[in-house]
Amino acid sequence: EVQLVESGGGLVQPGRSLRLSCAASGFIFADYGMHWVRQAPGKGLEWVSGISWNSGSIGYADSVKGRFTISRDNAKNSLYLQMNSLRAEDMALYYCAKSQGGYYDSSGMDVWGKGTTVTVSS
Amino acid sequence: DIQMTQSPSSLSASVGDRVTITCRASQGISSYLAWYQQKPGKVPNLLIYAASTLQSGVPSRFSGSGSGTDFTLTISRLQPEDVATYYCQKYNSAPLTFGGGTKVEIK
Repeated sequence: EVQLVESGGGLVQPGRSLRLSCAASGFIFADYGMHWVRQAPGKGLEWVSGISWNSGSIGYADSVKGRFTISRDNAKNSLYLQMNSLRAEDMALYYCAKSQGGYYDSSGMDVWGKGTTVTVSS
Repeated sequence: DIQMTQSPSSLSASVGDRVTITCRASQGISSYLAWYQQKPGKVPNLLIYAASTLQSGVPSRFSGSGSGTDFTLTISRLQPEDVATYYCQKYNSAPLTFGGGTKVEIK
């Protein structure tokens, strides 16, 4: 079964850091682009970041550029999001999603995890 | 950055009605557009990609059309299980912006 399982969410103070992880199974992880998408409570979907199959192409939303870093370890079938200088507006449910193709900017997202919640509060 | 504008933001229709949702890009994106369905409390689900290609397993009552800047998602005969929020998303280049969403309810 194709599956994505996020972890690493939690309560963090403004200005602090958090690292999210996404464990992939049921497909050849190294062949596909991957994404992080977030959804604040009661709000719409916001694309956060994407990474190509070989980490050669990476993109970020303007709202997180310079603060968040996406990475992947194909040997461990894992995707990561390092979040620094967290703000109240970063509070959301963070989804890991698989791209249909090898590049994050060439296709839709056909598999989604259940998400991990990030709460930013003092 | 390219903005994606969906309309309407919500709609209420009867079972069996034809429903149309519009998504407009502020600049041309060719056919690099996807549509997602998110049912209440659930994870988003890919319905359509490349503007008009139905994802495997998605009922044929869903269809997509358009290219360039104007796109539509059509539900030919609305069913109770279609109650959800629908999002368009461009994916030609970063940032991969989502539209604001259209909430579909049953009248």
